[in-house]
Amino acid sequence: GAVVSQHPSRVICKSGTSVKIECRSLDFQATTMFWYRQFPKQSLMLMATSNEGSKATYEQGVEKDKFLINHASLTLSTLTVTSAHPEDSSFYICSASPRTSGAGNTIYFGEGSWLTVV
Amino acid sequence: SQKIEQNSEALNIQEGKTATLTCNYTNYSPAYLQWYRQDPGRGPVFLLLIRENEKEKRKERLKVTFDTTLKQSLFHITASQPADSATYLCAHMNTGFQKLVFGTGTRLLVSP
Repeated sequence: GAVVSQHPSRVICKSGTSVKIECRSLDFQATTMFWYRQFPKQSLMLMATSNEGSKATYEQGVEKDKFLINHASLTLSTLTVTSAHPEDSSFYICSASPRTSGAGNTIYFGEGSWLTVV
Repeated sequence: SQKIEQNSEALNIQEGKTATLTCNYTNYSPAYLQWYRQDPGRGPVFLLLIRENEKEKRKERLKVTFDTTLKQSLFHITASQPADSATYLCAHMNTGFQKLVFGTGTRLLVSP
């Protein structure tokens, strides 16, 4: 079945540095991918919608200059956390749907990436 | 604002019993509701989708109901097993049918 892969699954970075997380759809094309953040014992919060070949759409309160999203191909979106701070430590999850999907389509989630900023 | 809410307290049940989880929504009428399972440190996994014109949907030991009058969806796991222990999330889709908004999730613990 459809699979969405994230890499790395865990990353530790120093405060002030940048870290990139990749999200790949392995056996389908996705014009749109979504990035979520989940803090411990909380639900997933949508950060932004990644659009292939165009700018990402960010949710209210999410800094676009801090969370850079690049959707360069139909199977890859990247999230770069710039100038990371300890409060950015979280579980980041991406999702995607097959390109031909419509109403009621299944959305597939990646395994998530744990980011720890020290 | 649109809200989708789940009981944040963990639900503890004994193996073999039926688990029932609740999802309530306010200030809108979703055309679809989805239920996901999330294990610790993992991404959500899709379980079931129910449309507003469907009162009930089943898949193996899972059953979902959708009551538009009560603005509520119930998620049932019959003959529960310890392996069913996880957090269960309900979510609604926006009008573009791709953007999901999640409830807070309910943690289910099934004891042997």
